Amino acid sequence: EIVLTQSPGTLSLSPGERATLSCRASQSVSSSYLAWYQQKNGQAPRLLIYGASSRATGIPDRFSGSGSGTDFTLTISRLEPEDFAVYYCQQYGSSPITFGQGTRLEIK
Amino acid sequence: QVQLQESGPGLVKPSETLSLTCTVSGASISSYYWCWIRQPPGKGLEWIGYMYSSGNIAYNPSLKSRVTISIDTSKNQFSLKLYSVTAADTAVYYCARRSTASGTVWFDPWGQGTLVTVSS
Repeated sequence: EIVLTQSPGTLSLSPGERATLSCRASQSVSSSYLAWYQQKNGQAPRLLIYGASSRATGIPDRFSGSGSGTDFTLTISRLEPEDFAVYYCQQYGSSPITFGQGTRLEIK
Repeated sequence: QVQLQESGPGLVKPSETLSLTCTVSGASISSYYWCWIRQPPGKGLEWIGYMYSSGNIAYNPSLKSRVTISIDTSKNQFSLKLYSVTAADTAVYYCARRSTASGTVWFDPWGQGTLVTVSS
């Protein structure tokens, strides 16, 4: 099973700043089969990124994904107030499908 | 616009069976993969399994011995049964649509989720 470790656990930033979230896999994720989700309090997760770098439909271009192998990054170029939430990475390169433990992005 | 809605009991006794249904609107259930994911309170996400109407199915090995996912095409619904539950199965259960491209497994959209508590 591929274990995904997200860092930092909590990231405190101000609106307008740049956020960089990391997702590290315990073994290589084949074909960059990695997705990112955003989850706001009391809501279901929302797909942001798939295939490591492709934005899902309707996702603003301030969200971008990058990486390959074992190291992946989600970048939010300029934080908006609605971006403060918990972010999860998910790999689908091998079974079972696994998620990271999440990074909480909070307002500083 | 595809929408999913979970339904089922919010309280299940230990050793009994958890049963949930997801009703899909805006898409034919016969044309996609459908899945279940859960999230214990205050914790992360755990994939349970997914199924296609043709019968193609995959379960998380950690739950495989206790899980059944099924599809009812006549009602445009799919269901989850989790047997012999314990307190560790207390979670918000989400249904979601899986991606269709071969080899890809991401989830979009998701239902709003339903909290199931296992307690006597």
